Amino acid sequence: DAMVIQNPRYQVTQFGKPVTLSCSQTLNHNVMYWYQQKSSQAPKLLFHYYDKDFNNEADTPDNFQSRRPNTSFCFLDIRSPGLGDAAMYLCATSRDTPSDTQYFGPGTRLTVL
Amino acid sequence: KNQVEQSPQSLIILEGKNCTLQCNYTVSPFSNLRWYKQDTGRGPVSLTIMTFSENTKSNGRYTATLDADTKQSSLHITASQLSDSASYICVVSEGAGGSYIPTFGRGTSLIVHP
Repeated sequence: DAMVIQNPRYQVTQFGKPVTLSCSQTLNHNVMYWYQQKSSQAPKLLFHYYDKDFNNEADTPDNFQSRRPNTSFCFLDIRSPGLGDAAMYLCATSRDTPSDTQYFGPGTRLTVL
Repeated sequence: KNQVEQSPQSLIILEGKNCTLQCNYTVSPFSNLRWYKQDTGRGPVSLTIMTFSENTKSNGRYTATLDADTKQSSLHITASQLSDSASYICVVSEGAGGSYIPTFGRGTSLIVHP
């Protein structure tokens, strides 16, 4: 029944050590998103894909990269995590456009030591 | 700049009581407004969606209203339960002529006490 799956649920990394978060979906949705959410704040959109078309938000740091090798999978790469990157990372999908209902995964909690 | 403001920031109520959460937005052009429920440590889950022509939508004990003229929405929770304790996020999406990208509010944290 799982629709948007994120792995791992909890990730601990060291300052500056690259980390990759993964997301997969069984909904066959066209659009996939990565959000960063810090405590008591709204989710902040980092980037999204329309199919294979990558859309980067203007204020997303270069330290964050993404890959979508196929419809089902999407990855978030943090090249050199800083202490300020500790957050919940949410993956979401929507059927055709960002104005469609978004289905969120359970999130990955990233801790940077 | 598109903005979504929610109030109150946090709310504590007793089990069984009703409550109303508010959302004001400046998103234009408007496409739709959603309310999401986010349990602690989980991803948000959609509760309701309303387009420009709809002014009320219910989902069980949750009833959302929309006044597109004043750009305000509310989420009313009836007969609250302990499981309603969560963050409630208002999300407004741009429509035709815009980016369709949703703008998130910061959420209202609701705590229901027994």
